[in-house]
Amino acid sequence: EDKVVQSPLSLVVHEGDTVTLNCSYEVTNFRSLLWYKQEKKAPTFLFMLTSSGIEKKSGRLSSILDKKELFSILNITATQTGDSAIYLCAPQFGNEKLTFGTGTRLTIIP
Amino acid sequence: ETGVTQSPTHLIKTRGQQVTLRCSSQSGHNTVSWYQQALGQGPQFIFQYYREEENGRGNFPPRFSGLQFPNYSSELNVNALELDDSALYLCASSLGAARHTFGSGTRLTVV
Repeated sequence: EDKVVQSPLSLVVHEGDTVTLNCSYEVTNFRSLLWYKQEKKAPTFLFMLTSSGIEKKSGRLSSILDKKELFSILNITATQTGDSAIYLCAPQFGNEKLTFGTGTRLTIIP
Repeated sequence: ETGVTQSPTHLIKTRGQQVTLRCSSQSGHNTVSWYQQALGQGPQFIFQYYREEENGRGNFPPRFSGLQFPNYSSELNVNALELDDSALYLCASSLGAARHTFGSGTRLTVV
């Protein structure tokens, strides 16, 4: 059975800190891994990773995938209060469904 | 481009009733997936529709059913509602294996 584990489950940091969120997975028919940010309802897309070792960046956010060790990390530098959200990792398997982890709840203290 | 639209935004139903949730996919997307997100959990895959056919199903009982229409919009139907069906139901559209774009969801409460 496909399995996704995110850590930590919850994280509280001060504004300006750097955070690293982790996602490990056990899969069959892996295609890609997606990261989403969920503030209220709709998860919003951050990154889609398909190749190992290639860092994707968007402003203060970056992510990388290791297909050999089956994990991904999401880094956020110089955190801001607007980064407070739940961050969801979702490997994409076989028939294109997404299998989500429980998420990491990130809280940024001003 | 228009995003993914879901209706209604909130719904309260009584145990044993039936409910229909609706989703309009993003323009140009031909695949719709439905997810159930219980409080404190990540979204769980219910099923996916591609070109009006079911294209994969998660571990949900048959009383969860769906439809996709020629314009790629979709419905999720749940019969014989149970208290544990209370959750946020998310619809996501995509073009093939590309990234999923999510709607804002329907919050269903079963009492």
